[in-house]
Amino acid sequence: DGGITQSPKYLFRKEGQNVTLSCEQNLNHDAMYWYRQDPGQGLRLIYYSQIVNDFQKGDIAEGYSVSREKKESFPLTVTSAQKNPTAFYLCASSSLWGGLHEQYFGPGTRLTVT
Amino acid sequence: AQTVTQSQPEMSVQEAETVTLSCTYDTSESDYYLFWYKQPPSRQMILVIRQEAYKQQNATENRFSVNFQKAAKSFSLKISDSQLGDAAMYFCAYRSGGSRLTFGEGTQLTVNP
Repeated sequence: DGGITQSPKYLFRKEGQNVTLSCEQNLNHDAMYWYRQDPGQGLRLIYYSQIVNDFQKGDIAEGYSVSREKKESFPLTVTSAQKNPTAFYLCASSSLWGGLHEQYFGPGTRLTVT
Repeated sequence: AQTVTQSQPEMSVQEAETVTLSCTYDTSESDYYLFWYKQPPSRQMILVIRQEAYKQQNATENRFSVNFQKAAKSFSLKISDSQLGDAAMYFCAYRSGGSRLTFGEGTQLTVNP
């Protein structure tokens, strides 16, 4: 089955610890994205990557880091510098062929930091 | 910067009835793309329908259709014959150039039996 996987579904960490969220896709998509969603709000873009070994900051990149060493993988690290890391994190991917570039999403990871 | 506005935080509809969710956007671009996503309680984001701005014909996907008014910068979603499974948060999204999407704040749709 083609799709996007995110693991784990729920993640708990102590304040001051870095944590890495996994995102893998087997859709052969060039671009991958990370979004943050807070309760009752829309999605905000953290980072995105259109090609291996390259990525760009989104609207709320502070306190986060990413890598894109393989086309299939785009892990997100939430660092201790992120002031309010508890949120729902969604990973997406899209082809860059054609015009639509429709984004398809993984199931998300709920991160709780206490 | 482009902005997307969904002016209805909450909507409700009776099962089998029709409901329309509103979305407006602000852009100076002439070539862009618009999307509606559904987020049910599972929180999985599901692409419902898409529209290319250069196409005058409104997109339709089964019970879902859009009313795209380019001059008014409006992109509403109509759900016909509403079903209990349609209950979800619906997000309108915009893209022009590049691959970044800009999302609205969402409309929570309740379907009453």
